[in-house]
Amino acid sequence: DTEVTQTPKHLVMGMTNKKSLKCEQHMGHRAMYWYKQKAKKPPELMFVYSYEKLSINESVPSRFSPECPNSSLLNLHLHALQPEDSALYLCASSQEPSGGIYNEQFFGPGTRLTVL
Amino acid sequence: AQSVTQPDIHITVSEGASLELRCNYSYGATPYLFWYVQSPGQGLQLLLKYFSGDTLVQGIKGFEAEFKRSQSSFNLRKPSVHWSDAAEYFCAVGARNSGYALNFGKGTSLLVTP
Repeated sequence: DTEVTQTPKHLVMGMTNKKSLKCEQHMGHRAMYWYKQKAKKPPELMFVYSYEKLSINESVPSRFSPECPNSSLLNLHLHALQPEDSALYLCASSQEPSGGIYNEQFFGPGTRLTVL
Repeated sequence: AQSVTQPDIHITVSEGASLELRCNYSYGATPYLFWYVQSPGQGLQLLLKYFSGDTLVQGIKGFEAEFKRSQSSFNLRKPSVHWSDAAEYFCAVGARNSGYALNFGKGTSLLVTP
């Protein structure tokens, strides 16, 4: 199984809502990533989890809260978002966080988020 | 700091013609380089990667890329483009100081005409 799954595919939320994005992989990967992608732009790194611990936070606003309950699952909790947070949120995983030949990242299909 | 430059924002080629997408990088050590493709509304699919060894790398869907250290380039090529190749193409470098998360170029949008 070389697949990263993300749910939901689409999400529409108001600025006062609380919602969560879910990402799952069963490849035994120990590094997981959240990226944000605006239209016609490249993905931008948000968070990196290494062995289920947060290792990188790219100065992301606190209204985004990541969680890694176990080695296969990565969540992104959303609260009090702004319309400018509307984007495609991509999850990825790689075998090892230390890079090298294990650095190939597998991406999920993304969650299209719209904040009204 | 490492960076990736894709000089061409848009490229249009005729179906059956050859394709070359340019990618230049700036990185102090040996880079880990990748090409990803993204169809509209989809996630990213890895086309090929370079870590070390043979500088000509073969990928999926008939793509290949050549790592040229002297030119700091990792250009993507395909000898004959199909209409289904129309998509956004991203070159990326693995960044050691970001947990090996990927640093992407701005992307090249490929349009294939009949």
